[in-house]
Amino acid sequence: GESVGLHLPTLSVQEGDNSIINCAYSNSASDYFIWYKQESGKGPQFIIDIRSNMDKRQGQRVTVLLNKTVKHLSLQIAATQPGDSAVYFCAENNAGGTSYGKLTFGQGTILTVHP
Amino acid sequence: DAGVIQSPRHEVTEMGQEVTLRCKPISGHNSLFWYRQTMMRGLELLIYFNNNVPIDDSGMPEDRFSAKMPNASFSTLKIQPSEPRDSAVYFCASSPTGIGNQPQHFGDGTRLSIL
Repeated sequence: GESVGLHLPTLSVQEGDNSIINCAYSNSASDYFIWYKQESGKGPQFIIDIRSNMDKRQGQRVTVLLNKTVKHLSLQIAATQPGDSAVYFCAENNAGGTSYGKLTFGQGTILTVHP
Repeated sequence: DAGVIQSPRHEVTEMGQEVTLRCKPISGHNSLFWYRQTMMRGLELLIYFNNNVPIDDSGMPEDRFSAKMPNASFSTLKIQPSEPRDSAVYFCASSPTGIGNQPQHFGDGTRLSIL
């Protein structure tokens, strides 16, 4: 029979372009957010995180933007390279920084970079 | 620096057999997480340990699944008896303290196929 699985959003870009990957989170009490990159056959790799008292954080070639009003998170990748091709996951946590809280993962976005 | 180490990387076995997955967290991390990833359900938390003690096992599917952490550098996830629907990629992750505003670092997973 036909298998049913998650239908992941996809984003295709040309090498050198900037990429923007979006994520809508569900819990208005979430106060910590993470972006992960997962390549085929590997585990999720930490990219960048942001706490809810910030609305922007920059890393090397990556920027995370947080809009708490509309519960939206985005990951911007500058000068995208073929090696950036992967599945990108956002994750949220509402532990308040003082106790354990589960990471809730989004479904993921497939980024394909064409040379 | 060594990351989270999982073994085996691949496991193929017949239904009814016992399966044991192993994890060595990052040295100095005192929190350990077991996840399962499938196309149908994405990434799901199975169990969380802090200082070798199980804190949250609400994600463990049923009694066929059990997890132990006998010391700070080793954990196992056991399935007995295994069933075809247990086929998935199982990830182990660790974090320094387990509080909610720290990233979890993942191993490269065990791809489990139950025939």
